[in-house]
Amino acid sequence: GENVEQHPSTLSVQEGDSAVIKCTYSDSASNYFPWYKQELGKRPQLIIDIRSNVGEKKDQRIAVTLNKTAKHFSLHITETQPEDSAVYFCAASTGANSKLTFGKGITLSVRP
Amino acid sequence: DARVTQTPRHKVTEMGQEVTMRCQPILGHNTVFWYRQTMMQGLELLAYFRNRAPLDDSGMPKDRFSAEMPDATLATLKIQPSEPRDSAVYFCASGRLSGSVYNEQFFGPGTRLTVL
Repeated sequence: GENVEQHPSTLSVQEGDSAVIKCTYSDSASNYFPWYKQELGKRPQLIIDIRSNVGEKKDQRIAVTLNKTAKHFSLHITETQPEDSAVYFCAASTGANSKLTFGKGITLSVRP
Repeated sequence: DARVTQTPRHKVTEMGQEVTMRCQPILGHNTVFWYRQTMMQGLELLAYFRNRAPLDDSGMPKDRFSAEMPDATLATLKIQPSEPRDSAVYFCASGRLSGSVYNEQFFGPGTRLTVL
């Protein structure tokens, strides 16, 4: 089955700097890659997703890039703010009839 | 603003007791997922349903866990008997399958289960 790994497990950045979180996946048939943000004690919420027919997607300060050849995708957050501090999960799926496989999560800390 | 709801939000029970967790998916969503979250294992998929039919429950310990959807507005996850290692946050999520396109899963607030 699919295996999704996230690196690093924790990341600390200065407010205003950029943060990049990388995920790798194992199943070349995977075609949907969402990123979820989970604040402490809250539910995971989708922040951005990308499908395999697109190489990059942006939404204001966040962007996701996908490299199908290398089987990795990355979350980019620019101009980080303290409210970006949270756990970020990446996931992958091979299609609508398949489950999402989540990575273990990365804790991002933004220092004021 | 439609949201997935879960009850109870917190549950403390003793080992051996039955635990039932409930989820109301967003109206119109035809896919429901149950996840378990722990520090060690992260988010694990336990089971999921499409149009109320179970599609995959391979992540669920079959001897003690059971998941059902008695109707389109209610999904249940039962643990009987409960054990301390079941202590975790259990999330329900729902989504809407549209053709063959995978869409966003909306998570509920979770049930924090503590088994003593």
